[in-house]
Amino acid sequence: AQSVTQPDIHITVSEGASLELRCNYSYGATPYLFWYVQSPGQGLQLLLKYFSGDTLVQGIKGFEAEFKRSQSSFNLRKPSVHWSDAAEYFCAVGEVNGGGADGLTFGKGTHLIIQP
Amino acid sequence: DAGITQSPRHKVTETGTPVTLRCHQTENHRYMYWYRQDPGHGLRLIHYSYGVKDTDKGEVSDGYSVSRSKTEDFLLTLESATSSQTSVYFCAIRGTPSSYNEQFFGPGTRLTVL
Repeated sequence: AQSVTQPDIHITVSEGASLELRCNYSYGATPYLFWYVQSPGQGLQLLLKYFSGDTLVQGIKGFEAEFKRSQSSFNLRKPSVHWSDAAEYFCAVGEVNGGGADGLTFGKGTHLIIQP
Repeated sequence: DAGITQSPRHKVTETGTPVTLRCHQTENHRYMYWYRQDPGHGLRLIHYSYGVKDTDKGEVSDGYSVSRSKTEDFLLTLESATSSQTSVYFCAIRGTPSSYNEQFFGPGTRLTVL
């Protein structure tokens, strides 16, 4: 069964500093990988996704993520955080299965706090 | 905007009462999903649907049933609500006709079972 681990429950970063959120997955083959962001009281917004090809993917709001097969990781990065980036971030893995209807498997989330 | 609405957005109910949550989409997507979100657990899949009248169980389906009589509506029912079902419930749709499993989420329903 697939699984996702986000090792950091909380991360505090100063505004303007760089950010890296860690995500490790367990899956038998190359999975589909996603990062979502959730602001307080809101639904989940898709930040970026990896399906195949270039292992460095760009997303919205200045975020990027790098897929590293050897490390089973898909870490999220941003060079300079803004106070508005404070939110909960979820990494998720999806089935690589043509036409499959299975849902996504989520990590438990990382809560990002931005210090002024 | 993925065109997903959920109703109600908030509900407080008593233990043992039936509850139905509705997810409505305007995009005519085939696949729809129900997740629950709990602190320390992330999101977990309850049920999903791959077409009208076609549904299947997810990871945490006990105590829940679903129905899909129209493409646009996916209903989640708690036959007899328990306090352990206090949670935030999210509906999602698959955003593309491909197999990439990219999903878009509704705004959520906060359910409290007293």
